[in-house]
Amino acid sequence: EVQVLESGGRLVQTGGSLRLSCAASGFTFSNFAMNWVRQAPGKGLEWVASISGTDVNTYYADSVEGRFTISRDNSKNTLYLQMDSLRTEDTAVYFCAKSRRMDVSLFDYWGQGTLVTVSS
Amino acid sequence: SYVLTQPPSVSVAPGKTARISCKEDNIGDKGVHWYQQKPGQAPILLISYDSDRPSGIPDRISGSNSGNTATLTISRVEAGDEADYYCQVWDSTTDHWVFGGGTKLTVL
Repeated sequence: EVQVLESGGRLVQTGGSLRLSCAASGFTFSNFAMNWVRQAPGKGLEWVASISGTDVNTYYADSVEGRFTISRDNSKNTLYLQMDSLRTEDTAVYFCAKSRRMDVSLFDYWGQGTLVTVSS
Repeated sequence: SYVLTQPPSVSVAPGKTARISCKEDNIGDKGVHWYQQKPGQAPILLISYDSDRPSGIPDRISGSNSGNTATLTISRVEAGDEADYYCQVWDSTTDHWVFGGGTKLTVL
């Protein structure tokens, strides 16, 4: 059974840093691209970043480019999101999602999310 | 940049048909994916590449895409279909994923 489980969300101050993790199981992790999507309270889904299965290609939303870094450790079946220079508008539930293929493709399995709260 | 426009809300009586639109110029040239999200839950994939249903999705759920509008159709609507629905495309010009703003489906 495919599972992805996010962790690392917490309350952090404006300007601070945080690293989210996503532990994957039930599939060959390195064969699939992975993604982060966030959802601010009461708002819609916003794509944050994606990374190919081979770690060669990364993609970022304009709102996080230069502040967030997506990475993966295929030996640990784990996806990461390093979040720096956090702003109040980064407050959201962050979902990890598996892609259907090794590079850019739709999101076929999602985790339950982890809450990041940025406060001054 | 690509902006996908969805109606904020759609209401339908049980047993009727709900249609949720997703609009952008020439969206018919792209593959559109649809997700369902119930309150407090993670999204799930409903429709891929305009009209393909993943296993486990009932055939009363369908999708189409042509011209400037993609449409998610839910036939014989049930109370359990109450949820938020999002369309999604890959914008190859910017290498960005784009989500629509979401549509809240209410079953009367």
